[in-house]
Amino acid sequence: GQNIDQPTEMTATEGAIVQINCTYQTSGFNGLFWYQQHAGEAPTFLSYNVLDGLEEKGRFSSFLSRSKGYSYLLLKELQMKDSASYLCALNAGNNRKLIWGLGTSLAVNP
Amino acid sequence: DVKVTQSSRYLVKRTGEKVFLECVQDMDHENMFWYRQDPGLGLRLIYFSYDVKMKEKGDIPEGYSVSREKKERFSLILESASTNQTSMYLCASSWTGRTDTQYFGPGTRLTVL
Repeated sequence: GQNIDQPTEMTATEGAIVQINCTYQTSGFNGLFWYQQHAGEAPTFLSYNVLDGLEEKGRFSSFLSRSKGYSYLLLKELQMKDSASYLCALNAGNNRKLIWGLGTSLAVNP
Repeated sequence: DVKVTQSSRYLVKRTGEKVFLECVQDMDHENMFWYRQDPGLGLRLIYFSYDVKMKEKGDIPEGYSVSREKKERFSLILESASTNQTSMYLCASSWTGRTDTQYFGPGTRLTVL
């Protein structure tokens, strides 16, 4: 089967760096998504990793290791507006459907 | 920019009522999805559609039906609303391609009394 795990909650300080981990088990793999979701709003696309390594996009970077079934989202220079839930989602080639993690709720404190 | 819209942000209905939630996307996406999201349970797929008049059950289809008569529009129907269907309902769409990136509407917060 397929499974995704990510921590439920994390706390960090404004200006700091935080790493949100995601581990998965799957038989098929096309890629791995990260989405951001502010409270009461819809998820918005952040990144998609297909190949191993780090992809940087401004203050946000996403890393993938396919052999280890592991990804992380790295947020630098944290701002208060980064307080949100971060969802990891697996594209396992499952007929266009994605497999969603439960999300990591990040609280950024002053 | 992809735009996915949903008919209501907030909706209050009574037990037993028939409820229609509408979703429209303007990017000619083939695939459309309906999810519900509840605290601690994450996003759960109710139904999805990969073409006009085509539909497939997701993980929790019981108590719901869907309709896709036009490519841009995907409706979720609660035939007889119950209190356990109180939730945030999210519609998403995607283009069949290399990534299957899903784009979400703003969500409908449904309360069934």
